[in-house]
Amino acid sequence: EVQLVESGGDLVQPGRSLRLSCAASGFTFNDYAMHWVRQAPGKGLEWVSGISWNSHTWNTGGIGYAVSVKGRFTISRDNAKNSLYLQMNSLRTEDTALYFCAKEGGDGFDHWGQGTLVTVSS
Amino acid sequence: QSVLTQPPSVSAAPGQKVTISCSGGSSNFQDYYISWYQQLPGTAPKILIYESHKRPSGIPDRFSGSKSGTSATLGISGLQTGDEADYYCGAWDHRLGAWLFGGGTKLTVL
Repeated sequence: EVQLVESGGDLVQPGRSLRLSCAASGFTFNDYAMHWVRQAPGKGLEWVSGISWNSHTWNTGGIGYAVSVKGRFTISRDNAKNSLYLQMNSLRTEDTALYFCAKEGGDGFDHWGQGTLVTVSS
Repeated sequence: QSVLTQPPSVSAAPGQKVTISCSGGSSNFQDYYISWYQQLPGTAPKILIYESHKRPSGIPDRFSGSKSGTSATLGISGLQTGDEADYYCGAWDHRLGAWLFGGGTKLTVL
């Protein structure tokens, strides 16, 4: 059974940093692209970032970012630990959201975690 | 960044069929493989349809997907009260190098 478990969400002040983690199990992690998708309170889904298992999806080293986070957020993965990460710097109040880790499969996101809440507020 | 447009809400009676549209304003839409997600209140999204019309294992055939021109459609037949949820369409835009989501549609089963 595929499981994705996010952690690291917290209440932080604007301008500070936070690192999210996603522990994956139940599938061959290094065979799949992985993503972060967020949902602000009462709002819809917003893709944040993705990292391919190789470089074929994006020219920039197999990594892509939404315009809203580019230059502030950094996605990474540790295939040995079956883990996905999101380093979030220079956080803004508009980054407040529930952050989901999602596995890509079949031209869609076929498995999702339950999310970790990030609140940016002074 | 989203260029996928969904109606904010739809409603229908139990047992009836409802359709939810997802239209694209970009010329890239023809290249999109559309996926559909169901998000029940307080839960994570779940995939219902991928590659515009395919159902993952375990998704009942009451859910169907289609795509034509600049619009995609999710159909839900035999509506049940348990189908009340938010539904999102999504697509990978290879020219933008980004995944896109529609704004979501709230389904009410009257």
